[in-house]
Parts: sequence; structure tokens; C-alpha cells
Amino acid sequence: QVQLQESGPGLVKPSETLSLTCTVSGGSISGHYWNWIRQSAGKGLEWIGYIYSSGSTKYNPSLKSRVTISADTSKNQFSLKLDSVTAADTAVYYCAKGGGRDAYSDFDSWGQGTLVTVSS
Amino acid sequence: DIVMTQSPDSLAVSLGERATINCKSSQSVLNSSNNKNYLAWYLQKPGQPPRLLIYWASTRESGVPDRFSGSGSGTDFTLTISSLQAEDVAVYYCQQYYSTLPYTFGQGTKLEIK
Repeated sequence: QVQLQESGPGLVKPSETLSLTCTVSGGSISGHYWNWIRQSAGKGLEWIGYIYSSGSTKYNPSLKSRVTISADTSKNQFSLKLDSVTAADTAVYYCAKGGGRDAYSDFDSWGQGTLVTVSS
Repeated sequence: DIVMTQSPDSLAVSLGERATINCKSSQSVLNSSNNKNYLAWYLQKPGQPPRLLIYWASTRESGVPDRFSGSGSGTDFTLTISSLQAEDVAVYYCQQYYSTLPYTFGQGTKLEIK
């Protein structure tokens, strides 16, 4: 089973850009959907968006104007950028693999998660 | 968005007894073209990410004990633990992945030992 590991700053200032990377090991990112999901006390689990290995993306409409997900197949990584962050973006951020049983899927492998705090 | 509502919010069950968690979606997650319900169940223990238990509403993920089962169709779903073990203490979430994005999760049900 693949393993996923998030990395990036744990503290981001308000109005700046949150940037995280997910490194996939034990398998290729090709042929799968790769997701970002966040969890906060206030909003529970919230799907942010996905990228398919071909580069196509879908985002949660509530975040679409601020989110960019990209992938680097040569490094077996995919990344999240969230612009103009506020305290409401403070959360544990997870990367997760789509189950692959359909274009729309569950999440069958997850990273351990990384806490990102938005504060000056 | 499809709103997922779980009940109850918390549940205390004795070891060896049955635990039942419900999940209701604000619209059907049954795809009539393939007769599959786009509904998954996860458990999450403190400090850990969610773990997939059930997909297609009733198919157990590889390695999941058979005391976990999922049922339901359309808008109403149930996760049942037939004989509660101590290691099942967790928060349980349902999630819909029907074609109408975004994917959404229930608010979670906290399962404890009575």
C-alpha cells in the first residue's frame, strides 16, 4: 500500500499563501486521483480538491478562487497552495489517495496530517 | 452541496454488544447507471488520520474485520459493529463521493465503551 507524507510550514501569516507538499512512496502517482482534505474543530472534515495524474484538477467551490493543486510526477509528489489565508484556514491538512474504483471515489490511503496555524 | 447528517453524535456501547451508526444524505447518492451507492465509512482514532472501512456503502476495505458492516441505499445508510471491541473506540464518519462535487463528510459519531 502506498504511503503519503505531508510537508510544509506549520505557521503561516494572515493574507499569505499556505504551501504544502505530499510525497508518495510505495507506488506511482500515475493513474490515480490525489486529494487534499483538511480537518478543523469548527468545520470537521472538508475536501479541498484533487488532481489526477494527467494534471486535471477539481476544487471545492467554497475554496476554488484561492486553491491550486499541482503534481510533479518526476518526484512522485503533489502540492497544495491556498492563497490569502485567514485564521479560518487553521486546520490539520491531509493528503489522501483516491480509491480508484471510479472517477469519483473514497480515500483509501491518507498521510498522517500536518497542522497549519494561521497567525501573525 | 450534499449534506451528510450522522446520528447519534455520540454513542456508548458495552464490550461485545452491537453498535449502530446512521448517516443520512440530503439527496440520493445512488448512481442508477451502475446501481452503486457512493458512500464510504471511516474511523478515526486520536492523533491519526481517518481509515477507510467501507466503500460502495457495503463493501469492506481489505483488512477490515468482518464485525464491521455497512448497509442502506439512496439517502439512508447504517454502519454496524456486530460485537464491539475495545480497539473500536473512535470517531466514525460517513462520506459521499457521488458525482456532484464537492465530496462531503458527516459531522462524526463518537463511539465509546459503556
